[in-house]
Amino acid sequence: AIRMTQSPSSFSASTGDRVTITCRASQGISSYLAWYQQKPGKAPKLLIYAASTLQSGVPSRFSGSGSGTDFTLTISCLQSEDFATYYCQQYYSYPITFGQGTRLEIK
Amino acid sequence: QITLKESGPTLVKPTQTLTLTCTFSGFSLSTSGVGVGWIRQPPGKALEWLALIYWDDDKRYSPSLKSRLTITKDTSKNQVVLTMTNMDPVDTATYYCAHSPVIIDGSLFDYWGQGTLVTVSS
Repeated sequence: AIRMTQSPSSFSASTGDRVTITCRASQGISSYLAWYQQKPGKAPKLLIYAASTLQSGVPSRFSGSGSGTDFTLTISCLQSEDFATYYCQQYYSYPITFGQGTRLEIK
Repeated sequence: QITLKESGPTLVKPTQTLTLTCTFSGFSLSTSGVGVGWIRQPPGKALEWLALIYWDDDKRYSPSLKSRLTITKDTSKNQVVLTMTNMDPVDTATYYCAHSPVIIDGSLFDYWGQGTLVTVSS
């Protein structure tokens, strides 16, 4: 199985900050990567797919980049509603695998 | 508008079989390329993909749980059922079903149910 490793596991930031979360695949996955946002007690929400394509309705302050093994999710100007846990997911091959999550907290 | 909702027991005993039903609306599982998957999340932990069934009845399972899982669909009822045998306390988790859209390759999940917490305890 392809292992997805996110960094950092958690960190604190302030509203208005620009933040970047990294996801690394244990082998090349081309651009078959998705990012999800999950708030406490809620289901995950798809933000980005194909590494850099914004899902409909997702604010443009979210962006994704990367291909192969290294990927990033960037939030250009943090809003209060962005404090959540973020997961990457590869869909290059089965089994589908998720990263361990990055918890973004308010500083 | 696509919606999904999970239903099933909230408490199961160790060694019992869990049966979860995902009832959906807003799409058809007879549409080429569409799928429905199951993902679980133990309390405070990460997401874990379990199984996925496609419009053509192609089924995929997590290798680590394959011997315990069965996924089926009833297109006429707009339902997908997941069974997991020999439940253990470590299987305590919130179980989600999710819609997998038509994409060129692979599967991701663009609509999710609200999830159902299943506790395994005697």
